[in-house]
Amino acid sequence: KAGVTQTPRYLIKTRGQQVTLSCSPISGHRSVSWYQQTPGQGLQFLFEYFSETQRNKGNFPGRFSGRQFSNSRSEMNVSTLELGDSALYLCASTRGSTDTQYFGPGTRLTVL
Amino acid sequence: DQQVKQNSPSLSVQEGRISILNCDYTNSMFDYFLWYKKYPAEGPTFLISISSIKDKNEDGRFTVFLNKSAKHLSLHIVPSQPGDSAVYFCAASWRNTGNQFYFGTGTSLTVIP
Repeated sequence: KAGVTQTPRYLIKTRGQQVTLSCSPISGHRSVSWYQQTPGQGLQFLFEYFSETQRNKGNFPGRFSGRQFSNSRSEMNVSTLELGDSALYLCASTRGSTDTQYFGPGTRLTVL
Repeated sequence: DQQVKQNSPSLSVQEGRISILNCDYTNSMFDYFLWYKKYPAEGPTFLISISSIKDKNEDGRFTVFLNKSAKHLSLHIVPSQPGDSAVYFCAASWRNTGNQFYFGTGTSLTVIP
């Protein structure tokens, strides 16, 4: 069974731009969560989507948004990029309502 | 507010010895805990989990212990191998809230051959 895939793997943007990241969960998984990892901060929860509905949201500004499609694929969007948004963005999928999360390889975003 | 804490940023252990990684949490509602291993430029890989109804779970060389009264969990790796060198994250969730997991900041384990 294929794992969680994320595209693109690397991205370079400039301040003020917007970016869209994509995540394809493991087949049959209905929940997708997004995390931001920065040095020294561990993984910070952004949001979770389950059956196309945002079920949980972390403490991030409204510039960070997401959505989930009927095939469980998810996208995350960051508008008006700031230097501090440079991070590894990780997507994780879960089979059921509450279960073990399996992570993708991440998208490394660099904001110049 | 860091609800899950890993107070040791790094740990070095000789090959063949036991590695003990520690994790503390503050939210008594957490009822599901996981450990992940992460190599640079890769996503975290699930290692082992434990539910709050248990105090121990074993999987091969990995054992997780949960002390609910102390709000503390630990991961034991026996015997440690050089391939275990990675960053280890503990994570916790309250299952009623879905899949929102709170992660610690990680402990970098180095196993010395």
